[in-house]
Amino acid sequence: GQQLNQSPQSMFIQEGEDVSMNCTSSSIFNTWLWYKQEPGEGPVLLIALYKAGELTSNGRLTAQFGITRKDSFLNISASIPSDVGIYFCAGLEIQGAQKLVFGQGTRLTINP
Amino acid sequence: DSGVTQTPKHLITATGQRVTLRCSPRSGDLSVYWYQQSLDQGLQFLIQYYNGEERAKGNILERFSAQQFPDLHSELNLSSLELGDSALYFCASTGTGDTEAFFGQGTRLTVV
Repeated sequence: GQQLNQSPQSMFIQEGEDVSMNCTSSSIFNTWLWYKQEPGEGPVLLIALYKAGELTSNGRLTAQFGITRKDSFLNISASIPSDVGIYFCAGLEIQGAQKLVFGQGTRLTINP
Repeated sequence: DSGVTQTPKHLITATGQRVTLRCSPRSGDLSVYWYQQSLDQGLQFLIQYYNGEERAKGNILERFSAQQFPDLHSELNLSSLELGDSALYFCASTGTGDTEAFFGQGTRLTVV
């Protein structure tokens, strides 16, 4: 099955730094979703994007739906220790049977 | 709380055995997705059901099967278990628009 290309795979940053991660695909999506997963837990939805070019914020998180519908990015500003986790992007395919496709995740580690 | 319930939370079984994982979607959600997550890996899409019918299939082994019942809960059956089947299994549900998938807490399967 198709997998989104998510980068970077891991990040090691200092508390207070800004973070940026992105996802790209060869397919067009009509919805992009960003999730955060903490150890042993299920992914939790952070932000949902529905329109090309859309820029949406949720507190210190900002995500954008790329104009081409083939990419999205997530920014976290002024990182804090509780931001630690794995962040996944997901795209909803519009061709054929709809299904969510996930990126491989970005593991975020923060040094206090 | 996402509203998606998975049982059991943990399962330990021997190779060659068969297990059933259960998922109750959020109230009113018609679509259920199943994902497998091996240690430190991304989310691998297994299968999707919509209102009782199989809608999309991903990297699901022939030893695995699933179904969605009239009350919309879903079960994932894993048979002839192998050590490599040890993983977290998540289900997610979406509403009519098939957007904003919400995940359960997962079932951690350990095959010994």
